[in-house]
Amino acid sequence: GESVGLHLPTLSVQEGDNSIINCAYSNSASDYFIWYKQESGKGPQFIIDIRSNMDKRQGQRVTVLLNKTVKHLSLQIAATQPGDSAVYFCAEGNEKLTFGTGTRLTIIP
Amino acid sequence: DGGITQSPKYLFRKEGQNVTLSCEQNLNHDAMYWYRQDPGQGLRLIYYSQIVNDFQKGDIAEGYSVSREKKESFPLTVTSAQKNPTAFYLCATGESPAAETQYFGPGTRLLVL
Repeated sequence: GESVGLHLPTLSVQEGDNSIINCAYSNSASDYFIWYKQESGKGPQFIIDIRSNMDKRQGQRVTVLLNKTVKHLSLQIAATQPGDSAVYFCAEGNEKLTFGTGTRLTIIP
Repeated sequence: DGGITQSPKYLFRKEGQNVTLSCEQNLNHDAMYWYRQDPGQGLRLIYYSQIVNDFQKGDIAEGYSVSREKKESFPLTVTSAQKNPTAFYLCATGESPAAETQYFGPGTRLLVL
């Protein structure tokens, strides 16, 4: 999975299936985490965020899970659609944001 | 993007030339940021400003300069001292200096001729 510092370049998912994108972070003092979606040639788009006092947060078709014990963050996208194709990256925050390199999600029709 | 505009979309720089990238926002956000994005790397912070008439260097400020004369505007100048300027430049805003969520503009791609 993606790490703030390493990345899994590509994840291919069948249309309609669920996608899980992972992110490992290194700073145990980070107290805020964000997932962004970036389409080719465009700026990153905020998807969902979570604070360190939470384990799970749900949005529309997306869920973010935080495991502080192993410093792991994941983004789950339900019923993946062609429009979900993009690069997804996480960011961790503690006074300032540190960004991961991203995972490219490709949807197979 | 909504409310954050960056111009131009593409910018070409000649050797020894300074170029300025525009970032304007109508979100009434206090904080503004400039990042550089290179293939295979996470966003790197160039400069940021938490209030008008004040700004701080980020992690890779060398070869860049900024100004924050108005709340709505945070232009970035890429100077001739920046030897490897080719990249995708992203402007972001935050509601307040302490706000953690940052919202991004559409970006400017800078290319060297």
